[in-house]
Amino acid sequence: GESVGLHLPTLSVQEGDNSIINCAYSNSASDYFIWYKQESGKGPQFIIDIRSNMDKRQGQRVTVLLNKTVKHLSLQIAATQPGDSAVYFCAENGGGYNKLIFGAGTRLAVHP
Amino acid sequence: EPEVTQTPSHQVTQMGQEVILRCVPISNHLYFYWYRQILGQKVEFLVSFYNNEISEKSEIFDDQFSVERPDGSNFTLKIRSTKLEDSAMYFCASSDTGGGTDTQYFGPGTRLTVL
Repeated sequence: GESVGLHLPTLSVQEGDNSIINCAYSNSASDYFIWYKQESGKGPQFIIDIRSNMDKRQGQRVTVLLNKTVKHLSLQIAATQPGDSAVYFCAENGGGYNKLIFGAGTRLAVHP
Repeated sequence: EPEVTQTPSHQVTQMGQEVILRCVPISNHLYFYWYRQILGQKVEFLVSFYNNEISEKSEIFDDQFSVERPDGSNFTLKIRSTKLEDSAMYFCASSDTGGGTDTQYFGPGTRLTVL
């Protein structure tokens, strides 16, 4: 079946360190992937996206890597700040459908 | 910066009552969505809407649910007879285009509590 899987771990990092959040997806038809950040009590906030014809995309302090061979997606955050503390979700489109399939989320805790 | 807005932020209702959750998508967007998130769980797709009709819906979106775009700005989700298990955060989203490769922007959500 289609799924984007994340066990719900907590990643604890020191302020200023780099963070890497990982995601596995199972639908090989997915051709669009997004990372969202969700702070407590708020809606998912778009961070960065990537299409399947790319394997890397960079934004401001964030980089998304896509490995289609092993169906793996990662989000790298450089110089992590306390404001980065949130739950991060990866999502996939399941191959062109008008819906997103979300993973379970990873909590990022940034310590000063 | 344009954003999706939702009202109310919190809705408390009795089981069996009807609720309407309201959303104002980003003004030039054409595709609209509802998702829900049960406390502590992942975000789940409910329905997508384009050109005044449902384009896709999930198994969760049964006959108790309906969506409507009553005017040029609002997009609503109605639950006809709420159940305890409908308690969740409900998020509206919109995108400029569809086809599954356009960024969906989410609203802040409505917390629905069914007693």
